[in-house]
Amino acid sequence: NAGVTQTPKFQVLKTGQSMTLQCAQDMNHEYMSWYRQDPGMGLRLIHYSVGAGITDQGEVPNGYNVSRSTTEDFPLRLLSAAPSQTSVYFCASSYSGTGADEQYFGPGTRLTVT
Amino acid sequence: KNQVEQSPQSLIILEGKNCTLQCNYTVSPFSNLRWYKQDTGRGPVSLTIMTFSENTKSNGRYTATLDADTKQSSLHITASQLSDSASYICVVSLNNNDMRFGAGTRLTVKP
Repeated sequence: NAGVTQTPKFQVLKTGQSMTLQCAQDMNHEYMSWYRQDPGMGLRLIHYSVGAGITDQGEVPNGYNVSRSTTEDFPLRLLSAAPSQTSVYFCASSYSGTGADEQYFGPGTRLTVT
Repeated sequence: KNQVEQSPQSLIILEGKNCTLQCNYTVSPFSNLRWYKQDTGRGPVSLTIMTFSENTKSNGRYTATLDADTKQSSLHITASQLSDSASYICVVSLNNNDMRFGAGTRLTVKP
């Protein structure tokens, strides 16, 4: 049982490049989410999904796209990277996303945009 | 202004000592409050979860308290170990499933 996995662990992009951050979970959780973590700030929700085929925006969605074609996978796409997107990105999953369930986080992807 | 404020921002203690981390929140109504531990380079891991009706929850050497009237929570670590060096994050879940994260307290335990 691998839990929540993320790839890559580190990535450097040039401004304007696009890329996809991968996230997968093997716990059959319906709820998955993406956060970014910046120094001196709490984790901020980018996008979330309550099940396959359903996604919604969080607090800071601009510049990011998501899709959820399977229960297991929830990739995050950066369409045209900007230096402001330099951050550490965490994917998380939980059974229902109600807040009462345990939320499991992946190890994170550290992204630098130059 | 962040709706979940943690203090101190950072703390250095000697191994074996106790410490208390604070979390003040302004969001309401909330359904539960969690404390997470985040090791450097890793994702957060849940330590405790309390509903608004609970006022204390323990997990080994970690004890969380909650005062819903004053909107304050604390995390007390007893007999600290080097492995306790990490960031500790307070998270408040609202009734609409929205979660608000504090910026965390960076704890360093020195031998």
